[in-house]
Amino acid sequence: DQQVKQNSPSLSVQEGRISILNCDYTNSMFDYFLWYKKYPAEGPTFLISISSIKDKNEDGRFTVFLNKSAKHLSLHIVPSQPGDSAVYFCAASMYSGGGADGLTFGKGTHLIIQP
Amino acid sequence: DGGITQSPKYLFRKEGQNVTLSCEQNLNHDAMYWYRQDPGQGLRLIYYSQIVNDFQKGDIAEGYSVSREKKESFPLTVTSAQKNPTAFYLCASSIFQVQGARRGYTFGSGTRLTVV
Repeated sequence: DQQVKQNSPSLSVQEGRISILNCDYTNSMFDYFLWYKKYPAEGPTFLISISSIKDKNEDGRFTVFLNKSAKHLSLHIVPSQPGDSAVYFCAASMYSGGGADGLTFGKGTHLIIQP
Repeated sequence: DGGITQSPKYLFRKEGQNVTLSCEQNLNHDAMYWYRQDPGQGLRLIYYSQIVNDFQKGDIAEGYSVSREKKESFPLTVTSAQKNPTAFYLCASSIFQVQGARRGYTFGSGTRLTVV
């Protein structure tokens, strides 16, 4: 059963416009969420994160919104640039008191920025 | 510069052979992880280690083994028991926090394993 879902396998956005990537989760114990960007044959690079005590976190062109009641988060990229073309993974973790560890990832969304 | 080094970048293995993937970090991170990525799939956790000489199974540990003899190193062995080993393998590390969520996950550049 997938606990982190990214329902859009791909998204095409025109350069300069806003890119909105969505992520849903089912486990209410998740309390920390991260977005990673990944190019082919490379490791993911960290973009931005948000704790469950917040509903918004902003870093330059990237903003993550968290709606806990809906178990939904989104990544906004404004303005979109050609270098943003990559696969974006949503990931979640929970405080486990030293028990189970690691991130739970969605399947990713391939963002394509068109000139 | 601090980071995680995975080697080799590409690896070919014959069916029935064991193979070990290397992962070294100089970030002084306590915790290390191995993930596997398949086409159209997210990253799935194989094994993780929070401290030296201790490790735990992740979601898909069958057919894999690990060791954590040093803080800096967390090698992954893909055994002949792994039914479908061809995949992209990623190593990661993070600073373990007792309070609150973990921070600072850093990933290596990955190893592409192909069984021939």
